[in-house]
Amino acid sequence: NAGVTQTPKFRVLKTGQSMTLLCAQDMNHEYMYWYRQDPGMGLRLIHYSVGEGTTAKGEVPDGYNVSRLKKQNFLLGLESAAPSQTSVYFCASSYWQGPNEQFFGPGTRLTVL
Amino acid sequence: GENVEQHPSTLSVQEGDSAVIKCTYSDSASNYFPWYKQELGKRPQLIIDIRSNVGEKKDQRIAVTLNKTAKHFSLHITETQPEDSAVYFCAASNSGGGADGLTFGKGTHLIIQP
Repeated sequence: NAGVTQTPKFRVLKTGQSMTLLCAQDMNHEYMYWYRQDPGMGLRLIHYSVGEGTTAKGEVPDGYNVSRLKKQNFLLGLESAAPSQTSVYFCASSYWQGPNEQFFGPGTRLTVL
Repeated sequence: GENVEQHPSTLSVQEGDSAVIKCTYSDSASNYFPWYKQELGKRPQLIIDIRSNVGEKKDQRIAVTLNKTAKHFSLHITETQPEDSAVYFCAASNSGGGADGLTFGKGTHLIIQP
């Protein structure tokens, strides 16, 4: 099993450009999450999904959109990138019932110039 | 929403000594408290977790304690080794770690001095 994978691993954008980050999991998990990690800030929840076709806002959702068209995939979109969105983005997934351990992907390092 | 405070931000201990990292949370409905270890450039990985119906949990050199009344929980690492050097994050959730995601502390950089 590959677990949780993310593409791309690195990306540099110019202000105003758009892009989509892809998260895929092969563990048949119902729940999926997108977090961002900034120096000294820990991880903060952007959006999450409790199942195919459903999404919800987390702590820092502004400037991002998400879609969960297939159970195994969770997409994070930036419509008009801003320098404040420079960060490392982690996707995670978990089962709907205990023990609810969240498994993280390897991360995507995004720089917005 | 939930707020998780973590202390200290940096902790330096001699190899073989114990390390303790403390976290407090604000939402009394929180019921799941995991700890993650993150090595430089790597993904966070779960090392231990505890639920609100348990006061303490141990796994070899690692233990976590929970005080629901005071709303704080702690990570204890005994007989520290060089490979314990990493950033440690505590987190809390009021949905058993499931639907609503996790609220993380800001992390503790643990340095093991040889």
